[in-house]
Amino acid sequence: QKEVEQNSGPLSVPEGAIASLNCTYSDRGSQSFFWYRQYSGKSPELIMFIYSNGDKEDGRFTAQLNKASQYVSLLIRDSQPSDSATYLCAVRNAGGTSYGKLTFGQGTILTVHP
Amino acid sequence: GAGVSQSPRYKVAKRGQDVALRCDPISGHVSLFWYQQALGQGPEFLTYFQNEAQLDKSGLPSDRFFAERPEGSVSTLKIQRTQQEDSAVYLCASSPSALSSTDTQYFGPGTRLTVL
Repeated sequence: QKEVEQNSGPLSVPEGAIASLNCTYSDRGSQSFFWYRQYSGKSPELIMFIYSNGDKEDGRFTAQLNKASQYVSLLIRDSQPSDSATYLCAVRNAGGTSYGKLTFGQGTILTVHP
Repeated sequence: GAGVSQSPRYKVAKRGQDVALRCDPISGHVSLFWYQQALGQGPEFLTYFQNEAQLDKSGLPSDRFFAERPEGSVSTLKIQRTQQEDSAVYLCASSPSALSSTDTQYFGPGTRLTVL
Protein backbone atom coordinates (compact mmCIF):
# COMPACT_ATOMS: atom_id res chain seq x y z
CA GLN A 1 0.00 0.00 0.00
CA LYS A 2 1.30 3.42 -0.96
CA GLU A 3 1.67 5.94 1.83
CA VAL A 4 -0.49 8.49 0.03
CA GLU A 5 -3.10 7.44 -2.50
CA GLN A 6 -5.25 9.53 -4.76
CA ASN A 7 -8.16 8.56 -6.96
CA SER A 8 -6.60 7.64 -10.23
CA GLY A 9 -8.60 9.82 -12.56
CA PRO A 10 -8.46 11.35 -14.98
CA LEU A 11 -11.37 13.38 -13.72
CA SER A 12 -13.40 15.33 -16.24
CA VAL A 13 -16.00 17.91 -15.18
CA PRO A 14 -17.94 20.55 -17.09
CA GLU A 15 -17.20 24.21 -16.58
CA GLY A 16 -19.04 25.56 -13.57
CA ALA A 17 -19.34 22.20 -11.82
CA ILE A 18 -17.77 21.09 -8.55
CA ALA A 19 -14.64 18.98 -8.86
CA SER A 20 -13.94 16.62 -5.97
CA LEU A 21 -10.44 15.28 -5.45
CA ASN A 22 -9.73 12.66 -2.81
CA CYS A 23 -6.67 11.42 -0.98
CA THR A 24 -6.01 8.83 1.72
CA TYR A 25 -2.85 8.37 3.76
CA SER A 26 -1.49 5.55 5.84
CA ASP A 27 0.73 7.26 8.44
CA ARG A 28 -1.36 8.23 11.46
CA GLY A 29 1.49 10.46 12.62
CA SER A 30 0.93 12.77 9.68
CA GLN A 31 0.42 16.29 10.90
CA SER A 32 -0.20 18.53 7.94
CA PHE A 33 -1.70 18.12 4.53
CA PHE A 34 -1.17 20.03 1.33
CA TRP A 35 -2.77 20.31 -2.07
CA TYR A 36 -0.52 21.33 -4.93
CA ARG A 37 -1.51 22.09 -8.49
CA GLN A 38 0.89 21.21 -11.27
CA TYR A 39 0.43 22.34 -14.83
CA SER A 40 2.07 20.24 -17.50
CA GLY A 41 5.79 20.89 -17.58
CA LYS A 42 5.67 23.19 -14.58
CA SER A 43 6.58 22.86 -10.92
CA PRO A 44 4.01 22.19 -8.18
CA GLU A 45 2.37 25.28 -6.71
CA LEU A 46 0.63 25.28 -3.36
CA ILE A 47 -3.14 25.74 -3.39
CA MET A 48 -4.06 24.99 0.19
CA PHE A 49 -2.86 23.42 3.40
CA ILE A 50 -4.85 22.08 6.32
CA TYR A 51 -3.80 20.88 9.75
CA SER A 52 -7.02 20.48 11.73
CA ASN A 53 -10.01 18.25 11.25
CA GLY A 54 -12.85 19.87 9.38
CA ASP A 55 -13.14 22.20 6.44
CA LYS A 56 -10.97 25.07 5.32
CA GLU A 57 -12.17 27.38 2.60
CA ASP A 58 -10.18 29.72 0.39
CA GLY A 59 -12.09 31.26 -2.47
CA ARG A 60 -13.35 28.52 -4.76
CA PHE A 61 -11.31 25.89 -2.95
CA THR A 62 -12.29 23.90 0.13
CA ALA A 63 -10.00 21.40 1.81
CA GLN A 64 -11.52 18.80 4.09
CA LEU A 65 -9.60 16.71 6.60
CA ASN A 66 -10.73 13.69 8.59
CA LYS A 67 -7.82 12.32 10.61
CA ALA A 68 -9.84 9.44 12.04
CA SER A 69 -10.53 8.17 8.54
CA GLN A 70 -7.09 9.29 7.29
CA TYR A 71 -8.75 11.13 4.46
CA VAL A 72 -8.27 14.54 2.93
CA SER A 73 -10.12 16.05 0.00
CA LEU A 74 -10.16 19.14 -2.16
CA LEU A 75 -13.33 20.61 -3.61
CA ILE A 76 -13.15 23.12 -6.44
CA ARG A 77 -16.36 25.06 -6.93
CA ASP A 78 -17.33 26.75 -10.19
CA SER A 79 -14.58 24.87 -12.01
CA GLN A 80 -12.88 26.76 -14.82
CA PRO A 81 -10.91 25.46 -17.81
CA SER A 82 -7.86 27.10 -16.23
CA ASP A 83 -8.21 24.65 -13.32
CA SER A 84 -7.26 21.83 -15.68
CA ALA A 85 -4.06 20.43 -14.22
CA THR A 86 -2.68 17.61 -12.10
CA TYR A 87 -3.56 17.94 -8.43
CA LEU A 88 -1.09 16.50 -5.96
CA CYS A 89 -1.94 15.58 -2.40
CA ALA A 90 1.04 15.77 -0.04
CA VAL A 91 1.37 14.75 3.58
CA ARG A 92 3.93 15.82 6.11
CA ASN A 93 5.10 14.41 9.41
CA ALA A 94 7.49 16.85 10.99
CA GLY A 95 8.30 14.69 13.96
CA GLY A 96 11.37 12.59 14.60
CA THR A 97 13.60 12.12 11.59
CA SER A 98 10.97 13.10 9.03
CA TYR A 99 12.31 16.67 8.95
CA GLY A 100 9.20 17.95 7.30
CA LYS A 101 9.62 16.14 4.02
CA LEU A 102 6.51 15.84 1.89
CA THR A 103 5.12 12.49 0.80
CA PHE A 104 3.10 12.90 -2.38
CA GLY A 105 0.36 10.90 -3.99
CA GLN A 106 0.58 10.06 -7.65
CA GLY A 107 -1.66 12.96 -8.61
CA THR A 108 -5.08 13.24 -10.19
CA ILE A 109 -5.44 14.77 -13.62
CA LEU A 110 -8.39 17.15 -13.75
CA THR A 111 -9.88 18.34 -17.01
CA VAL A 112 -12.53 21.06 -17.00
CA HIS A 113 -14.26 21.20 -20.35
CA PRO A 114 -16.17 24.26 -21.58
CA GLY B 1 14.27 36.90 -8.48
CA ALA B 2 12.48 36.00 -5.31
CA GLY B 3 11.75 32.37 -6.07
CA VAL B 4 13.69 29.12 -6.12
CA SER B 5 15.79 28.78 -9.24
CA GLN B 6 17.31 25.69 -10.76
CA SER B 7 19.81 25.12 -13.54
CA PRO B 8 20.05 23.77 -16.07
CA ARG B 9 16.37 23.51 -16.92
CA TYR B 10 17.04 20.64 -19.30
CA LYS B 11 19.91 18.20 -19.37
CA VAL B 12 20.55 15.37 -21.79
CA ALA B 13 23.25 12.93 -20.78
CA LYS B 14 24.62 9.80 -22.32
CA ARG B 15 24.44 6.74 -20.11
CA GLY B 16 27.48 6.66 -17.90
CA GLN B 17 28.06 10.40 -17.81
CA ASP B 18 28.12 12.40 -14.59
CA VAL B 19 25.71 15.33 -14.17
CA ALA B 20 25.40 18.17 -11.67
CA LEU B 21 22.12 19.94 -10.99
CA ARG B 22 22.05 23.26 -9.19
CA CYS B 23 19.47 24.78 -6.87
CA ASP B 24 19.35 28.37 -5.62
CA PRO B 25 16.82 28.52 -2.79
CA ILE B 26 14.96 31.57 -1.62
CA SER B 27 17.41 33.77 0.27
CA GLY B 28 17.47 33.05 3.96
CA HIS B 29 15.58 29.77 3.76
CA VAL B 30 16.97 27.27 6.21
CA SER B 31 15.47 24.09 4.78
CA LEU B 32 16.19 22.69 1.34
CA PHE B 33 14.70 19.55 -0.14
CA TRP B 34 15.40 17.61 -3.33
CA TYR B 35 12.66 15.54 -4.96
CA GLN B 36 12.61 13.30 -8.02
CA GLN B 37 9.49 13.21 -10.19
CA ALA B 38 9.12 10.46 -12.75
CA LEU B 39 6.71 10.94 -15.63
CA GLY B 40 3.11 10.62 -14.48
CA GLN B 41 4.04 10.29 -10.81
CA GLY B 42 4.13 12.55 -7.81
CA PRO B 43 7.48 13.88 -6.55
CA GLU B 44 9.48 11.55 -4.34
CA PHE B 45 11.77 12.76 -1.58
CA LEU B 46 15.50 12.40 -2.11
CA THR B 47 17.32 14.39 0.55
CA TYR B 48 17.04 17.24 3.05
CA PHE B 49 19.40 19.97 4.22
CA GLN B 50 19.07 22.19 7.24
CA ASN B 51 21.50 24.98 6.45
CA GLU B 52 24.68 23.16 5.40
CA ALA B 53 23.89 19.93 7.25
CA GLN B 54 22.46 17.03 5.29
CA LEU B 55 20.13 15.55 7.87
CA ASP B 56 18.27 13.05 5.76
CA LYS B 57 19.45 11.27 2.65
CA SER B 58 17.18 8.27 2.99
CA GLY B 59 15.53 8.87 -0.38
CA LEU B 60 18.67 8.80 -2.50
CA PRO B 61 18.22 5.78 -4.79
CA SER B 62 21.84 4.65 -4.84
CA ASP B 63 25.35 5.68 -3.94
CA ARG B 64 25.59 7.24 -7.40
CA PHE B 65 23.55 10.14 -6.05
CA PHE B 66 25.28 12.76 -3.96
CA ALA B 67 24.09 16.15 -2.72
CA GLU B 68 25.78 19.03 -0.98
CA ARG B 69 25.04 22.51 0.33
CA PRO B 70 28.43 23.62 1.60
CA GLU B 71 27.59 27.19 2.61
CA GLY B 72 23.98 26.67 3.54
CA SER B 73 22.55 28.35 0.47
CA VAL B 74 23.13 26.92 -3.03
CA SER B 75 22.81 23.16 -3.32
CA THR B 76 24.09 20.75 -5.94
CA LEU B 77 22.72 17.29 -6.70
CA LYS B 78 25.27 15.15 -8.48
CA ILE B 79 24.52 11.90 -10.24
CA GLN B 80 27.45 9.74 -11.23
CA ARG B 81 27.43 7.19 -14.05
CA THR B 82 23.90 8.08 -15.07
CA GLN B 83 21.49 5.31 -16.01
CA GLN B 84 18.31 5.46 -18.07
CA GLU B 85 16.20 5.01 -14.95
CA ASP B 86 17.59 8.30 -13.65
CA SER B 87 15.57 10.14 -16.31
CA ALA B 88 13.13 12.33 -14.41
CA VAL B 89 12.47 15.88 -13.32
CA TYR B 90 14.53 16.86 -10.30
CA LEU B 91 12.76 19.42 -8.13
CA CYS B 92 14.29 21.56 -5.44
CA ALA B 93 12.18 23.14 -2.72
CA SER B 94 13.02 25.47 0.14
CA SER B 95 11.20 26.61 3.25
CA PRO B 96 11.94 29.32 5.76
CA SER B 97 12.60 27.37 8.91
CA ALA B 98 13.55 23.96 10.19
CA LEU B 99 11.45 21.09 11.42
CA SER B 100 8.20 22.97 11.03
CA SER B 101 4.99 21.26 10.04
CA THR B 102 3.44 24.59 9.13
CA ASP B 103 6.02 25.90 6.69
CA THR B 104 5.22 26.02 3.02
CA GLN B 105 7.73 24.46 0.68
CA TYR B 106 8.38 26.57 -2.39
CA PHE B 107 9.36 24.62 -5.47
CA GLY B 108 11.76 25.56 -8.20
CA PRO B 109 10.99 24.97 -11.89
CA GLY B 110 12.90 21.69 -11.90
CA THR B 111 15.59 20.19 -14.09
CA ARG B 112 14.42 17.66 -16.64
CA LEU B 113 17.12 15.03 -17.01
CA THR B 114 17.05 12.68 -19.96
CA VAL B 115 19.57 9.86 -20.06
CA LEU B 116 20.05 8.30 -23.47
